[in-house]
Amino acid sequence: GDSVTQMEGPVTLSEEAFLTINCTYTATGYPSLFWYVQYPGEGLQLLLKATKADDKGSNKGFEATYRKETTSFHLEKGSVQVSDSAVYFCALSDRRGSARQLTFGSGTQLTVLP
Amino acid sequence: SAVISQKPSRDICQRGTSLTIQCQVDSQVTMMFWYRQQPGQSLTLIATANQGSEATYESGFVIDKFPISRPNLTFSTLTVSNMSPEDSSIYLCSVGRGDTQYFGPGTRLTVL
Repeated sequence: GDSVTQMEGPVTLSEEAFLTINCTYTATGYPSLFWYVQYPGEGLQLLLKATKADDKGSNKGFEATYRKETTSFHLEKGSVQVSDSAVYFCALSDRRGSARQLTFGSGTQLTVLP
Repeated sequence: SAVISQKPSRDICQRGTSLTIQCQVDSQVTMMFWYRQQPGQSLTLIATANQGSEATYESGFVIDKFPISRPNLTFSTLTVSNMSPEDSSIYLCSVGRGDTQYFGPGTRLTVL
């Protein structure tokens, strides 16, 4: 079945540091890929998405590129801020073009220190 | 996107009681989902709720424990029945739009 493997946390960075959170996936079809963010005490917010190979999703300075050859969707940000402290979830949906069941990674806790 | 609200936002309940969580969406959607997030864990899908049909439950979840209603295209409820401390979690509803799911703010449940 489908699966998502995320970089183990927690991750602690200083403000303005470069961030990478690794995400790889296994899927039988052509999934859409997502990053969701959960700020403390809140629900999940969609951060960015990509629906086909070589697509780059971006939002709020975060980027991730859908790499079919390496089955990866790593999240990056060039300069993190304290306000980026949250839990980040990588996820896939198993059919492009329809909202199907999401498969989530385990989540990565990010703490950014001033 | 979608604007989704949940009630209650949090609750503390006694063992053996039941709690019904409401999920309201700002416009009509076909597919609604209910997830559980246990402390420090990722999300686990409980069931898919489609209007006009029985909810579809994932392995490990049963209707007697988590009955779901879906009376129309903008509303759904999830009941957590006969609660035990192991049911302490965040319960989230989500809706599908195209290839994307959008989540409500969650209901934080503590069972004593």
